[in-house]
Amino acid sequence: KQEVTQIPAALSVPEGENLVLNCSFTDSAIYNLQWFRQDPGKGLTSLLLIQSSQREQTSGRLNASLDKSSGRSTLYIAASQPGDSATYLCAAPDSGGGADGLTFGKGTHLIIQP
Amino acid sequence: EPEVTQTPSHQVTQMGQEVILRCVPISNHLYFYWYRQILGQKVEFLVSFYNNEISEKSEIFDDQFSVERPDGSNFTLKIRSTKLEDSAMYFCASSPLAGGPGNIQYFGAGTRLSVL
Repeated sequence: KQEVTQIPAALSVPEGENLVLNCSFTDSAIYNLQWFRQDPGKGLTSLLLIQSSQREQTSGRLNASLDKSSGRSTLYIAASQPGDSATYLCAAPDSGGGADGLTFGKGTHLIIQP
Repeated sequence: EPEVTQTPSHQVTQMGQEVILRCVPISNHLYFYWYRQILGQKVEFLVSFYNNEISEKSEIFDDQFSVERPDGSNFTLKIRSTKLEDSAMYFCASSPLAGGPGNIQYFGAGTRLSVL
């Protein structure tokens, strides 16, 4: 059974800093991993999907990496802005094919100080 | 941009009552999912649905829960007799593929269920 852990649980940094959010997963036989953003009381916005054959995926100031062998993914946020404040979740599918449900981490609660 | 739509945004019910949460997935998607998030906890998978059948379900999805695609656009989650512990945010998601590297699940804004 897939388990996903995210470190740190919370992070507060000044605006403009580059930062890294970490995600680890136990079942490395995944075919992809998704990063989401969740604003308080809101839904989940998909940020990046990184496929198992890829090592990195980029969208604007966001860059996600995936290392299946070590069971880790990172989300790098460049030049952080106050609008980046949110909870960031990573999610990995349970292996085995079919319409797989995603297993989520608890998230990293990010605060960017103006 | 197409999106997953969920109604209502907030549902309040009495313990023991039946509730139906509604979702309209993205129109060309074939796979549908329900998740829940109890306040302060992880998002948890409940069930996936394809071709009018449950594809996969978690241990949370017991006999109190059921899903249905009553027409070509709606996807519903029914909780037969609500308990206090069913209070949570319920998210619907859809994807164009069942799995595989390129599969992205798109989530709705959620329905907050409050059981009193």
